[in-house]
Amino acid sequence: EAQVTQNPRYLITVTGKKLTVTCSQNMNHEYMSWYRQDPGLGLRQIYYSMNVEVTDKGDVPEGYKVSRKEKRNFPLILESPSPNQTSLYFCATRRSNNQPQHFGDGTRLSIL
Amino acid sequence: GENVEQHPSTLSVQEGDSAVIKCTYSDSASNYFPWYKQELGKRPQLIIDIRSNVGEKKDQRIAVTLNKTAKHFSLHITETQPEDSAVYFCAASRGQAGTALIFGKGTTLSVSS
Repeated sequence: EAQVTQNPRYLITVTGKKLTVTCSQNMNHEYMSWYRQDPGLGLRQIYYSMNVEVTDKGDVPEGYKVSRKEKRNFPLILESPSPNQTSLYFCATRRSNNQPQHFGDGTRLSIL
Repeated sequence: GENVEQHPSTLSVQEGDSAVIKCTYSDSASNYFPWYKQELGKRPQLIIDIRSNVGEKKDQRIAVTLNKTAKHFSLHITETQPEDSAVYFCAASRGQAGTALIFGKGTTLSVSS
């Protein structure tokens, strides 16, 4: 079964404590992205990756890092989380440009 | 920068009526336009998409139309049912290479029986 798996699904943490949200896909897709979803703002892209070791900034990259050391994994790293990063995060994958995008189940982060 | 405007932000219809959601985009190089449905607490799921070489696409009760000249595209749902109630997002690819999707802010559709 085609899957995009995010962990954790929920996390409450404190300002400044480094955290990583993992994303793994089993579809052998080239493209992976991270989005954040906030009420009234829709989905905004944080970072994306077109292949292993190839990453680039999206529209709201400040305060985030990513890595793509292997094709199936694309972790999102918050080195020093702040309350304005409280949000619902989605990982997404697609085979190539202009192909349907598949989303993970989401990670709800609360940073106090 | 590129953006996608989506209207209306909320839409209430009676079961059996039609619903139309409209989007405009700013990047004339955009060539891929998907629509996603997101039920409460769940992930967005693709319901239909259209590419710039096609003016209209239909899948059962759902259709999408694209007007590249005017940079408009619309989602049409006919014979709405209560299970169509959800948030709908339109999106447009960024540039011809389509490295990113730019999403509209969403439309909350409520279908009452």
